[in-house]
Amino acid sequence: AQSVAQPEDQVNVAEGNPLTVKCTYSVSGNPYLFWYVQYPNRGLQFLLKYITGDNLVKGSYGFEAEFNKSQTSFHLKKPSALVSDSALYFCVADDYGQNFVFGPGTRLSVLP
Amino acid sequence: DTGVSQDPRHKITKRGQNVTFRCDPISEHNRLYWYRQTLGQGPEFLTYFQNEAQLEKSRLLSDRFSAERPKGSFSTLEIQRTEQGDSAMYLCASSTLAGGYNEQFFGPGTRLTVL
Repeated sequence: AQSVAQPEDQVNVAEGNPLTVKCTYSVSGNPYLFWYVQYPNRGLQFLLKYITGDNLVKGSYGFEAEFNKSQTSFHLKKPSALVSDSALYFCVADDYGQNFVFGPGTRLSVLP
Repeated sequence: DTGVSQDPRHKITKRGQNVTFRCDPISEHNRLYWYRQTLGQGPEFLTYFQNEAQLEKSRLLSDRFSAERPKGSFSTLEIQRTEQGDSAMYLCASSTLAGGYNEQFFGPGTRLTVL
Protein backbone atom coordinates (compact mmCIF):
# COMPACT_ATOMS: atom_id res chain seq x y z
CA ALA A 1 0.00 0.00 0.00
CA GLN A 2 1.09 3.52 -0.65
CA SER A 3 2.18 5.66 2.26
CA VAL A 4 3.79 9.00 2.90
CA ALA A 5 5.74 9.82 6.03
CA GLN A 6 6.61 13.22 7.39
CA PRO A 7 8.80 12.39 10.38
CA GLU A 8 8.51 15.77 12.07
CA ASP A 9 5.21 16.99 13.46
CA GLN A 10 6.68 20.43 14.01
CA VAL A 11 9.61 22.35 12.58
CA ASN A 12 10.78 25.60 14.13
CA VAL A 13 13.16 27.90 12.30
CA ALA A 14 14.30 31.48 12.75
CA GLU A 15 13.34 34.00 10.10
CA GLY A 16 16.05 34.31 7.48
CA ASN A 17 17.43 30.83 8.12
CA PRO A 18 17.07 27.97 5.65
CA LEU A 19 14.26 25.52 6.24
CA THR A 20 13.74 21.86 5.42
CA VAL A 21 10.55 19.87 5.79
CA LYS A 22 11.15 16.17 5.34
CA CYS A 23 9.10 13.63 3.41
CA THR A 24 9.61 9.99 2.52
CA TYR A 25 7.26 7.87 0.48
CA SER A 26 6.43 4.29 -0.29
CA VAL A 27 4.80 3.98 -3.68
CA SER A 28 5.03 1.25 -6.26
CA GLY A 29 6.65 2.27 -9.48
CA ASN A 30 7.52 5.85 -10.24
CA PRO A 31 5.47 8.24 -8.16
CA TYR A 32 4.15 11.67 -8.78
CA LEU A 33 5.04 13.82 -5.75
CA PHE A 34 3.61 17.10 -4.54
CA TRP A 35 3.82 19.60 -1.72
CA TYR A 36 0.78 21.51 -0.55
CA VAL A 37 0.48 24.18 2.13
CA GLN A 38 -2.54 24.86 4.34
CA TYR A 39 -2.97 28.18 6.07
CA PRO A 40 -5.55 28.61 8.84
CA ASN A 41 -9.08 28.95 7.47
CA ARG A 42 -7.85 28.66 3.92
CA GLY A 43 -7.86 25.86 1.40
CA LEU A 44 -4.92 23.71 0.48
CA GLN A 45 -2.58 25.46 -1.90
CA PHE A 46 -0.30 23.77 -4.38
CA LEU A 47 3.41 24.55 -3.99
CA LEU A 48 5.26 22.29 -6.39
CA LYS A 49 5.33 18.90 -8.07
CA TYR A 50 7.69 16.26 -9.35
CA ILE A 51 6.44 14.25 -12.30
CA THR A 52 9.60 13.36 -14.18
CA GLY A 53 12.89 14.91 -15.24
CA ASP A 54 15.13 17.12 -13.14
CA ASN A 55 15.28 15.96 -9.54
CA LEU A 56 15.26 19.52 -8.22
CA VAL A 57 11.93 21.20 -8.72
CA LYS A 58 11.13 24.81 -7.98
CA GLY A 59 7.74 26.04 -6.92
CA SER A 60 5.79 28.92 -5.53
CA TYR A 61 7.01 31.44 -2.93
CA GLY A 62 10.67 30.46 -3.30
CA PHE A 63 10.19 26.83 -2.26
CA GLU A 64 11.98 23.94 -3.89
CA ALA A 65 12.13 20.20 -3.39
CA GLU A 66 14.58 17.49 -4.28
CA PHE A 67 13.45 14.08 -5.46
CA ASN A 68 15.81 11.32 -4.32
CA LYS A 69 14.79 7.96 -5.71
CA SER A 70 17.36 5.90 -3.82
CA GLN A 71 16.26 7.36 -0.50
CA THR A 72 12.59 7.60 -1.54
CA SER A 73 12.55 11.15 -0.27
CA PHE A 74 11.12 14.45 -1.44
CA HIS A 75 12.22 17.08 1.08
CA LEU A 76 10.88 20.62 0.84
CA LYS A 77 13.39 23.43 1.19
CA LYS A 78 13.65 27.18 1.19
CA PRO A 79 16.91 29.14 1.47
CA SER A 80 15.53 31.91 3.68
CA ALA A 81 12.38 31.47 5.75
CA LEU A 82 9.77 34.17 6.25
CA VAL A 83 7.37 34.51 9.16
CA SER A 84 4.57 34.31 6.59
CA ASP A 85 5.72 30.77 5.68
CA SER A 86 4.33 29.54 8.99
CA ALA A 87 1.64 27.00 8.07
CA LEU A 88 0.87 23.30 7.79
CA TYR A 89 2.72 21.51 5.00
CA PHE A 90 1.63 18.27 3.37
CA CYS A 91 3.65 15.94 1.19
CA VAL A 92 1.55 13.96 -1.28
CA ALA A 93 2.28 10.89 -3.41
CA ASP A 94 0.19 9.80 -6.34
CA ASP A 95 0.28 6.47 -8.08
CA TYR A 96 -0.31 7.49 -11.69
CA GLY A 97 -3.33 9.58 -10.87
CA GLN A 98 -5.25 6.75 -9.26
CA ASN A 99 -4.64 7.33 -5.60
CA PHE A 100 -3.63 10.60 -3.99
CA VAL A 101 -2.06 9.90 -0.58
CA PHE A 102 -1.31 12.69 1.88
CA GLY A 103 1.29 12.60 4.60
CA PRO A 104 0.24 13.53 8.13
CA GLY A 105 1.51 17.08 7.79
CA THR A 106 4.30 19.12 9.35
CA ARG A 107 3.60 22.36 11.13
CA LEU A 108 6.23 24.96 10.29
CA SER A 109 6.76 27.86 12.65
CA VAL A 110 9.06 30.64 11.56
CA LEU A 111 10.10 32.77 14.48
CA PRO A 112 10.85 36.46 14.01
CA ASP B 1 -13.32 33.80 -8.59
CA THR B 2 -12.65 30.86 -10.90
CA GLY B 3 -11.42 28.44 -8.26
CA VAL B 4 -13.11 25.40 -6.75
CA SER B 5 -16.14 26.33 -4.67
CA GLN B 6 -17.97 24.33 -2.04
CA ASP B 7 -21.33 24.83 -0.44
CA PRO B 8 -22.15 25.09 2.39
CA ARG B 9 -18.98 26.09 4.19
CA HIS B 10 -20.34 24.88 7.51
CA LYS B 11 -23.03 22.38 8.38
CA ILE B 12 -24.30 21.41 11.81
CA THR B 13 -26.68 18.49 11.97
CA LYS B 14 -28.08 16.03 14.44
CA ARG B 15 -27.09 12.41 14.43
CA GLY B 16 -29.24 10.39 12.07
CA GLN B 17 -29.99 13.21 9.67
CA ASN B 18 -28.94 13.24 6.02
CA VAL B 19 -26.67 15.95 4.64
CA THR B 20 -25.60 16.88 1.12
CA PHE B 21 -22.61 18.94 0.06
CA ARG B 22 -21.97 20.50 -3.29
CA CYS B 23 -18.71 21.10 -5.13
CA ASP B 24 -18.24 23.23 -8.23
CA PRO B 25 -14.88 22.49 -9.83
CA ILE B 26 -12.78 24.73 -12.00
CA SER B 27 -14.49 25.00 -15.33
CA GLU B 28 -13.49 22.28 -17.81
CA HIS B 29 -11.55 20.25 -15.26
CA ASN B 30 -12.05 16.58 -16.12
CA ARG B 31 -11.38 15.15 -12.69
CA LEU B 32 -13.10 15.86 -9.42
CA TYR B 33 -12.04 14.44 -6.07
CA TRP B 34 -13.54 14.23 -2.59
CA TYR B 35 -11.48 14.00 0.59
CA ARG B 36 -12.15 13.99 4.31
CA GLN B 37 -9.86 15.74 6.79
CA THR B 38 -10.11 15.37 10.54
CA LEU B 39 -8.36 17.65 12.99
CA GLY B 40 -4.62 17.19 13.02
CA GLN B 41 -4.61 14.76 10.12
CA GLY B 42 -3.89 14.93 6.45
CA PRO B 43 -6.79 14.67 3.99
CA GLU B 44 -7.94 11.14 3.21
CA PHE B 45 -9.08 10.24 -0.25
CA LEU B 46 -12.74 9.25 -0.59
CA THR B 47 -13.55 9.08 -4.28
CA TYR B 48 -12.93 10.64 -7.66
CA PHE B 49 -14.68 11.20 -10.96
CA GLN B 50 -13.41 11.54 -14.44
CA ASN B 51 -16.10 13.52 -16.19
CA GLU B 52 -19.33 11.86 -14.96
CA ALA B 53 -17.82 8.44 -14.25
CA GLN B 54 -16.91 7.54 -10.68
CA LEU B 55 -13.64 5.68 -11.17
CA GLU B 56 -12.36 5.03 -7.68
CA LYS B 57 -13.86 4.71 -4.21
CA SER B 58 -11.96 4.38 -0.96
CA ARG B 59 -12.87 1.81 1.67
CA LEU B 60 -13.58 4.87 3.82
CA LEU B 61 -16.65 5.50 1.70
CA SER B 62 -19.20 3.40 3.56
CA ASP B 63 -22.66 2.56 2.24
CA ARG B 64 -23.98 5.68 3.92
CA PHE B 65 -21.91 7.85 1.60
CA SER B 66 -22.78 8.48 -2.02
CA ALA B 67 -21.29 10.86 -4.54
CA GLU B 68 -22.53 11.92 -7.93
CA ARG B 69 -21.38 14.05 -10.80
CA PRO B 70 -24.34 13.76 -13.14
CA LYS B 71 -23.30 16.03 -15.99
CA GLY B 72 -19.58 15.98 -15.49
CA SER B 73 -19.60 19.42 -13.95
CA PHE B 74 -20.59 19.94 -10.29
CA SER B 75 -20.65 17.08 -7.80
CA THR B 76 -22.61 16.25 -4.68
CA LEU B 77 -21.61 14.18 -1.68
CA GLU B 78 -24.43 12.84 0.45
CA ILE B 79 -24.10 11.28 3.87
CA GLN B 80 -27.12 9.39 5.11
CA ARG B 81 -27.90 8.71 8.77
CA THR B 82 -24.99 10.81 9.95
CA GLU B 83 -22.92 9.66 12.91
CA GLN B 84 -20.74 11.69 15.23
CA GLY B 85 -17.69 10.08 13.63
CA ASP B 86 -18.62 11.76 10.36
CA SER B 87 -17.68 15.14 11.84
CA ALA B 88 -14.83 16.40 9.69
CA MET B 89 -13.85 18.81 6.94
CA TYR B 90 -14.93 17.55 3.53
CA LEU B 91 -12.69 18.78 0.77
CA CYS B 92 -13.27 18.84 -2.96
CA ALA B 93 -10.56 19.20 -5.58
CA SER B 94 -10.38 19.23 -9.33
CA SER B 95 -7.72 18.75 -11.96
CA THR B 96 -7.33 18.63 -15.69
CA LEU B 97 -5.72 16.00 -17.84
CA ALA B 98 -4.94 18.55 -20.53
CA GLY B 99 -1.24 18.60 -21.27
CA GLY B 100 -0.58 15.55 -19.13
CA TYR B 101 -0.92 14.85 -15.45
CA ASN B 102 -1.52 17.92 -13.32
CA GLU B 103 -1.91 18.95 -9.72
CA GLN B 104 -5.24 19.18 -7.93
CA PHE B 105 -6.82 22.47 -6.95
CA PHE B 106 -8.70 22.40 -3.68
CA GLY B 107 -11.82 24.16 -2.52
CA PRO B 108 -12.20 25.74 0.93
CA GLY B 109 -14.02 22.71 2.31
CA THR B 110 -17.30 22.05 4.10
CA ARG B 111 -16.98 21.61 7.83
CA LEU B 112 -19.53 19.10 9.13
CA THR B 113 -20.41 18.89 12.80
CA VAL B 114 -22.68 16.04 13.88
CA LEU B 115 -24.23 16.56 17.30
